[in-house]
Amino acid sequence: ETGVTQTPRHLVMGMTNKKSLKCEQHLGHNAMYWYKQSAKKPLELMFVYSLEERVENNSVPSRFSPECPNSSHLFLHLHTLQPEDSALYLCASSQLLAGVNTGELFFGEGSRLTVL
Amino acid sequence: GENVEQHPSTLSVQEGDSAVIKCTYSDSASNYFPWYKQELGKRPQLIIDIRSNVGEKKDQRIAVTLNKTAKHFSLHITETQPEDSAVYFCAASKGSNYQLIWGAGTKLIIKP
Repeated sequence: ETGVTQTPRHLVMGMTNKKSLKCEQHLGHNAMYWYKQSAKKPLELMFVYSLEERVENNSVPSRFSPECPNSSHLFLHLHTLQPEDSALYLCASSQLLAGVNTGELFFGEGSRLTVL
Repeated sequence: GENVEQHPSTLSVQEGDSAVIKCTYSDSASNYFPWYKQELGKRPQLIIDIRSNVGEKKDQRIAVTLNKTAKHFSLHITETQPEDSAVYFCAASKGSNYQLIWGAGTKLIIKP
């Protein structure tokens, strides 16, 4: 596997279920991100991990819980979601260099989540 | 709050013609402006980016122009081809990937 891989690609869950999304990057990057993509809306940054430490949490509801056990893996744990949480969840990674915090984001193909 | 407005939301052009997508940002401290292309069912991919110390950047058929005074930047695609059909997203940041503010996207349709 190369690049950024996400599993599962599709997930259907009830509002009382608990599930997790997984992301793995094979690029040796030091930062990983979770984004929410809804139709005709801007990408919404949910969480950022840099060197396995969470550096950003954009007021995401607590029913979303991230976990970054190492620099190559990122999880998004889901519980008691709402139908409006249905969306495409994209994982991304990037290499942040000293003094340069902008640069190409490498995205996974996303996990399409449907909450019934 | 900070935002990025992207226009048009849908653009349909004849194959071979040029396409222009425009974004306007609100934070004058923004200094990094990437463009991402997302084909149907695929991941977004960076196609070109520009930093605030230059006014224009080209890469084959695509170019980006930046007007810091007016706080807008544009993506230009010349000699459009069917494979250019996709959704294009602009973004602006004032120093960090954590601070990227995204536009809502433009669906580009290339008519044969």
